[in-house]
Amino acid sequence: GAVVSQHPSRVICKSGTSVKIECRSLDFQATTMFWYRQFPKQSLMLMATSNEGSKATYEQGVEKDKFLINHASLTLSTLTVTSAHPEDSSFYICSAREHRSNVGSYYNSPLHFGNGTRLTVT
Amino acid sequence: EDKVVQSPLSLVVHEGDTVTLNCSYEVTNFRSLLWYKQEKKAPTFLFMLTSSGIEKKSGRLSSILDKKELFSILNITATQTGDSAVYLCAVTLRGSQGNLIFGKGTKLSVKP
Repeated sequence: GAVVSQHPSRVICKSGTSVKIECRSLDFQATTMFWYRQFPKQSLMLMATSNEGSKATYEQGVEKDKFLINHASLTLSTLTVTSAHPEDSSFYICSAREHRSNVGSYYNSPLHFGNGTRLTVT
Repeated sequence: EDKVVQSPLSLVVHEGDTVTLNCSYEVTNFRSLLWYKQEKKAPTFLFMLTSSGIEKKSGRLSSILDKKELFSILNITATQTGDSAVYLCAVTLRGSQGNLIFGKGTKLSVKP
């Protein structure tokens, strides 16, 4: 089945540093990947949509210069939290669905999630 | 504003009980509704529902969608302690890139 790998699973960094999170689709190609953030006892909130070969689209209120997204290949998207601050501490999780040429088939397949990255900024 | 509302937010039951989790939605251009189970890390996919009245089953879990009344339920029969998790309901929209709009989840605790 479709597997999404996310790395690292946990990172602790000092305020002001940058952290890169990788998201890989292991056995399928993904032209689109989604980055979510989950605060304690809250639901997953979409941050941005990562598109292979083009710019990411960000949700309202998410700073694109702070959360840099690169989707350089059909199997890898990265999220870089730049100049991290304690309020950026959260659970970041990526997701993807297998790219299919049939549009209906694509949207009728579920999103698969990585295991998430617990970011703690001290 | 598109929204997904789950109830209850938390639930404590004993092994062997049957539970029903609720999910209602108010969105424009509904495409599908999905249920996920989240334990410690990644949500794992349970069901995707696109048509009303067709029950989907997987072992002790089942789910059904009512597109007229805009809700879905997830049933778990003969609950086990391993069913303890947060159950997430999410909706996708037509015309979007296929991202999920999540509810806040229902935290289910099954006591032995």
